[in-house]
Amino acid sequence: DQQVKQNSPSLSVQEGRISILNCDYTNSMFDYFLWYKKYPAEGPTFLISISSIKDKNEDGRFTVFLNKSAKHLSLHIVPSQPGDSAVYFCAARSIQGAQKLVFGQGTRLTINP
Amino acid sequence: DAGVIQSPRHEVTEMGQEVTLRCKPISGHDYLFWYRQTMMRGLELLIYFNNNVPIDDSGMPEDRFSAKMPNASFSTLKIQPSEPRDSAVYFCASTSGAYNEQFFGPGTRLTVL
Repeated sequence: DQQVKQNSPSLSVQEGRISILNCDYTNSMFDYFLWYKKYPAEGPTFLISISSIKDKNEDGRFTVFLNKSAKHLSLHIVPSQPGDSAVYFCAARSIQGAQKLVFGQGTRLTINP
Repeated sequence: DAGVIQSPRHEVTEMGQEVTLRCKPISGHDYLFWYRQTMMRGLELLIYFNNNVPIDDSGMPEDRFSAKMPNASFSTLKIQPSEPRDSAVYFCASTSGAYNEQFFGPGTRLTVL
């Protein structure tokens, strides 16, 4: 069963506009959430994270929102830039799982000039 | 500082052959993870080690897959015999308790003909 789901395989956004990537989870024991960015032929790199005790975390152009009641998180990128074109993975860590992460399927973001 | 190192970067083999993927984690990290990336399942955890001991191998697809970590600076993932459905990108990642995120290597793209 897929405990972390990214239901949009792809997303296309105009440069300068807002990109919103979504992620849903099912496990109530998840207490920490991360977003990773992946370019072709490279490994995923950590982008931003949020603890379950918060509902928002911001880092420059990137903001992650967490809605625990809906078991939903989203990543907002404002403004979107061509270099943001990549695959974005949502990941979650369980209280019981030590350093283990559960990843979603990924969303391919394309920023159009 | 050197990141996670994986070799080879690309591997092409024929069905039935043995394949060995290698990983050198970041020095000082005591967790090591093996993932497989597929379109359908995204980043799928195969197995992870803590202090060179396998902790969770529930993601290993079947007995054809095995992983070892003989010391803190080296791990292998072996597939014997390989099948075309094993074709994927395999990532190694490492971390320690000082971090919330995992650090990924560049991946090995495996093609089984």
